Amino acid sequence: GAGVSQSPRYKVAKRGQDVALRCDPISGHVSLFWYQQALGQGPEFLTYFQNEAQLDKSGLPSDRFFAERPEGSVSTLKIQRTQQEDSAVYLCASSFGLYNTEAFFGQGTRLTVV
Amino acid sequence: ELKVEQNPLFLSMQEGKNYTIYCNYSTTSDRLYWYRQDPGKSLESLFVLLSNGAVKQEGRLMASLDTKARLSTLHITAAVHDLSATYFCAVDSYNNNDMRFGAGTRLTVKP
Repeated sequence: GAGVSQSPRYKVAKRGQDVALRCDPISGHVSLFWYQQALGQGPEFLTYFQNEAQLDKSGLPSDRFFAERPEGSVSTLKIQRTQQEDSAVYLCASSFGLYNTEAFFGQGTRLTVV
Repeated sequence: ELKVEQNPLFLSMQEGKNYTIYCNYSTTSDRLYWYRQDPGKSLESLFVLLSNGAVKQEGRLMASLDTKARLSTLHITAAVHDLSATYFCAVDSYNNNDMRFGAGTRLTVKP
């Protein structure tokens, strides 16, 4: 596709439910990032992949958060046993490579935990 | 830990006026970015600044970088309503792709 695609755009989950958020990066982009953006805040780094390797997961807030990119393209961010504080917009971004620095963001998935 | 601070956080401007948004960061960084975000939308890349003294301009927006002062500025010239949005700066380094964002500057341009 022409840009980074995320699905679903909106997700309402009951507290305790597991959710899976999908990111389709721009074709050929090596690097993929996940960010969490709370209302009125800047994006907060969650995790980073280079191809299928998860090189940095220091931003994942708890062990309920898990991300994967098994074939080096599509990535899934999974949140287990969702809590209200997980409510946020989850943004995915991709870039061509390590030194081609411009990152392109998807539209995000707005997660609301009720 | 790399910290990024923007000011002001809220900015209300009259059309036709000039103003500057400031972005300070706490540790050495190789790359600085400016993004625009409209309400309910994703982030749009505006500028990538890679070296000390770098200056880039696009329309009414001009960004500059002073790596010694760890400061970037986004200057708005003769503001128009269409520039109303939230502007974020972000930094990272070649050794660490963890791009850190500021809290954003919510700009409103009034007629």
